Amino acid sequence: EPEVTQTPSHQVTQMGQEVILRCVPISNHLYFYWYRQILGQKVEFLVSFYNNEISEKSEIFDDQFSVERPDGSNFTLKIRSTKLEDSAMYFCASRKESDTQYFGPGTRLTVL
Amino acid sequence: DAKTTQPTSMDCAEGRAANLPCNHSTISGNEYVYWYRQIHSQGPQYIIHGLKNNETNEMASLIITEDRKSSTLILPHATLRDTAVYYCIVRVAHSGGGADGLTFGKGTHLIIQP
Repeated sequence: EPEVTQTPSHQVTQMGQEVILRCVPISNHLYFYWYRQILGQKVEFLVSFYNNEISEKSEIFDDQFSVERPDGSNFTLKIRSTKLEDSAMYFCASRKESDTQYFGPGTRLTVL
Repeated sequence: DAKTTQPTSMDCAEGRAANLPCNHSTISGNEYVYWYRQIHSQGPQYIIHGLKNNETNEMASLIITEDRKSSTLILPHATLRDTAVYYCIVRVAHSGGGADGLTFGKGTHLIIQP
């Protein structure tokens, strides 16, 4: 069964550094999402992406965040200048038309 | 999206049916009830969804009351691997434009006891 994959599984970075989290959505899916979950807290929506543009973003998704689909298979989340409070699990999700969202296993980001 | 209320935690014996309730008294006519679960910091996993009729798939059954103000997710024969946080989410069906980020609450932590 096809799955959403994410790399790396764990990323450690220094405060102020840029990080790029990578996701490979399921191949025939058209809609892509990023969520985050700070340890012990709820899963929070960040952004949705369709037809090469952002469809919706939350208040969390400020100018420090950006998303890109650089080729036909990858979907990335970039954080330009990481802060301590960006430490979280980041989940990618994807779906096809008229279907539900399928989530990847997540990337644990630790900002020191 | 309509607000949902779920118990914080529940226990269930292995092999028994686990019944997880969700209240959504402000649900609108075009909103569906979705259930996801999250096993120990893994990515949320879709379980089932429905509008007003009861639904069943290989994972679970979803019972929605006639007034649609509440629903129950049923795991018919719970196993230890079903220990997870279960989220009830009420929202319109996924939109064609992709503006359909899910809003997760705190969910119910279901613990399956051996």
